[in-house]
Amino acid sequence: DTEVTQTPKHLVMGMTNKKSLKCEQHMGHRAMYWYKQKAKKPPELMFVYSYEKLSINESVPSRFSPECPNSSLLNLHLHALQPEDSALYLCASSATTGGSRNEQFFGPGTRLTVL
Amino acid sequence: KQEVTQIPAALSVPEGENLVLNCSFTDSAIYNLQWFRQDPGKGLTSLLLIQSSQREQTSGRLNASLDKSSGRSTLYIAASQPGDSATYLCAVRRQKSSGDKLTFGTGTRLAVRP
Repeated sequence: DTEVTQTPKHLVMGMTNKKSLKCEQHMGHRAMYWYKQKAKKPPELMFVYSYEKLSINESVPSRFSPECPNSSLLNLHLHALQPEDSALYLCASSATTGGSRNEQFFGPGTRLTVL
Repeated sequence: KQEVTQIPAALSVPEGENLVLNCSFTDSAIYNLQWFRQDPGKGLTSLLLIQSSQREQTSGRLNASLDKSSGRSTLYIAASQPGDSATYLCAVRRQKSSGDKLTFGTGTRLAVRP
């Protein structure tokens, strides 16, 4: 089963709200990723977790706070977002972060709208 | 900095045609290259992964090739169908000292007309 699930599918929030996005995989993968995708643009990497430790932060503003409670779960906590943060947020996972056979599998995404 | 470009940006073909999508990248020090498909508003579906030591991979009507030295990959779709209509993205993977990084191309939007 090569499935990554994300909840919620859609989220509308005000600039003062606090919300969280959730991602889950049960493939035994030890690397998980958050990407942001604006309309008609390719995904842009935000964070990488490897063995539940943050290994890459692509200079993302602190209003986005990732969390990896265990090897199957990845959260993205949102606080004081701006309208320009509206986008499709994609989660992905891979077996590890090393080796040429490493393939990333993506979830369906959460469509976020910030009012 | 790795830059990945895809040509053409958009393509419209009649059903049944064979077609080629192109992907080029500037840094040849890659571990692998993945081709993805994305339907509007949806997530990415992995189509093929080519390791840096491989020249091509095949899956059904899809064939992807990789020429690492020249920084190019092509995705060949045989006997196209309306269900193939989607955006196709290539992505190259390069290991950073602090972890893993996938850099995406600009995408090719494909429309297959019945």
